[in-house]
Amino acid sequence: SQQGEEDPQALSIQEGENATMNCSYKTSINNLQWYRQNSGRGLVHLILIRSNEREKHSGRLRVTLDTSKKSSSLLITASRAADTASYFCATGSIWGGGADGLTFGKGTHLIIQP
Amino acid sequence: DAGVIQSPRHEVTEMGQEVTLRCKPISGHNSLFWYRQTMMRGLELLIYFNNNVPIDDSGMPEDRFSAKMPNASFSTLKIQPSEPRDSAVYFCASSLYGEGDEQYFGPGTRLTVT
Repeated sequence: SQQGEEDPQALSIQEGENATMNCSYKTSINNLQWYRQNSGRGLVHLILIRSNEREKHSGRLRVTLDTSKKSSSLLITASRAADTASYFCATGSIWGGGADGLTFGKGTHLIIQP
Repeated sequence: DAGVIQSPRHEVTEMGQEVTLRCKPISGHNSLFWYRQTMMRGLELLIYFNNNVPIDDSGMPEDRFSAKMPNASFSTLKIQPSEPRDSAVYFCASSLYGEGDEQYFGPGTRLTVT
């Protein structure tokens, strides 16, 4: 069953603007990860945040995690056309210690208009 | 490193035939995961291995599905007999447990069962 639910399902913005995607989940987690998938390709890992962390940065990416609300957000700053893709959040269960499979949401399809 | 390698990239088969999907994880990784992606159900974890041992196969949809990992550099996912509803993209991913937990995905095998 799907644990993560991304919001919005689709997002279209102009190049240079910031894009924010949200993810909610249901059960206790060890970590939450964000992945990108370009059309017809595999998934690429973007960033991982652990349950004891609240915010993490990587280049133009900023991820926040609120375990009390069971939610996370991914912010992409200064978007580029190449950021057009589907973005998924995925959670690792608290029981797996980081070694178990991930539960994915259905993704946000991001379109960057040039 | 070449990344996770999957073969074949595309497979078209008739209902009732046996299908075998192959995966070579990243050298040195100790965890391997099989996922399936469909429009209706999104990304689903089928099974995962730690140190070549199957840990959780609760995501395998039916007894028609089986997976093996005979050594650290090779895994197979077999469907016998195949059915049209098995049509999906099947991804293999690997990770190094204890050193980050992010998963590295292969390009996927697009399976079409007619």
